[in-house]
Amino acid sequence: GQQVMQIPQYQHVQEGEDFTTYCNSSTTLSNIQWYKQRPGGHPVFLIQLVKSGEVKKQKRLTFQFGEAKKNSSLHITATQTTDVGTYFCAGRSGGSNYKLTFGKGTLLTVNP
Amino acid sequence: EAGVAQSPRYKIIEKRQSVAFWCNPISGHATLYWYQQILGQGPKLLIQFQNNGVVDDSQLPKDRFSAERLKGVDSTLKIQPAKLEDSAVYLCASTLLGGWETQYFGPGTRLLVL
Repeated sequence: GQQVMQIPQYQHVQEGEDFTTYCNSSTTLSNIQWYKQRPGGHPVFLIQLVKSGEVKKQKRLTFQFGEAKKNSSLHITATQTTDVGTYFCAGRSGGSNYKLTFGKGTLLTVNP
Repeated sequence: EAGVAQSPRYKIIEKRQSVAFWCNPISGHATLYWYQQILGQGPKLLIQFQNNGVVDDSQLPKDRFSAERLKGVDSTLKIQPAKLEDSAVYLCASTLLGGWETQYFGPGTRLLVL
């Protein structure tokens, strides 16, 4: 079945440093979504990418979808303590009843 | 707009006991999902309903897990009997129609099986 892998598993940064998490799929994706889960909380939708090579920005967050639609990345510029949490990518393959397959996530901690 | 509601928020049981979780999706949302999230992992889809019909239950351990959404609104997920490895957070999510839409998650039920 479809597998979605994320690296790194953990990342600790100093406040103000940049952060990037990478997502790779074993199959070509129809689209990919990114979610953030605060400690003790539930996943909250951040963004969806659909087109090959798509780049979207939300303030300090930049999301990319690879040309082959098998990988994606999330980059945070100048991290803040409010960025702490686990970032998940979740991909859909075509013809899979739109089922989302989540990666294991990257836990980001920020030292003030 | 009220979000996805789940209860209970926490549950501790002994292995071989039964447990049930309840979810009420966002009003008007046709599609409802149950996920299992084991500590340190991403959510894994257990079952997806479209109204009161099952769309996908391929990852539901049917020998012990069951779920229903009889009236196409709220849903229950049951585990009988529970095993130690069932300790996890059980998340419910909903979307208006399904497909590629944003999934809205509830706060989850944290289950500990002793």
